Amino acid sequence: EVQLVQSGAEVKKPGESLRISCKGSGYSFTSYWISWVRQMPGKGLEWMGRIDPSDSYTNYSPSFQGHVTISADKSISTAYLQWSSLKASDTAMYYCARLSHGDYEDYWGQGTLVTVSS
Amino acid sequence: SYELTQPLSVSVALGQTARITCGGNNIGSKNVHWYQQKPGQAPVLVIYRDSNRPSGIPERFSGSNSGNTATLTISRAQAGDEADYYCQVWDSSTEVFGTGTKVTVL
Repeated sequence: EVQLVQSGAEVKKPGESLRISCKGSGYSFTSYWISWVRQMPGKGLEWMGRIDPSDSYTNYSPSFQGHVTISADKSISTAYLQWSSLKASDTAMYYCARLSHGDYEDYWGQGTLVTVSS
Repeated sequence: SYELTQPLSVSVALGQTARITCGGNNIGSKNVHWYQQKPGQAPVLVIYRDSNRPSGIPERFSGSNSGNTATLTISRAQAGDEADYYCQVWDSSTEVFGTGTKVTVL
């Protein structure tokens, strides 16, 4: 069974750093890209970027380039999304998802809620 | 940047047909995918590459894509179909989601 299991909810202060994770199982982790998707409270889905776990090649949405870093450790089948300095506007649910044929997300993680508040 | 426009909301009577549109410039030349998201849950893929259903998705869900509009059709709507629906395409190596449509079953 394909599963993407994300790390738990986080509460952070502005200016702090954060890394959240997404562990894949039930499939060959290096055979599929992983996408990260943001959903702000009460809002729609926004694609942030993707990573090829086989070589850690990344591709970011222009809206998120420079604001977050996507990485992966294929030895433990885990992808990461990180911030060096959080802002209140980063408060959102973040989903990872498996990208099938580089085209559509066929499996999703359960989401990680990030709350940034002073 | 490429934009996908969806109606904010669609209402459908129980057992009737709902059609959700997704408008974009020459969207017919792209592969369109559709996701269903129920409150408090992660999105679920319901249609991929315009008109294909993943395993486990009822035949009541179908899709089409031509010209400047892609459409997700939900036949014989059930209460469990109430959700937000998003279309999605790729444009210039960037994934784009539609604005989302809330479907209400009356």
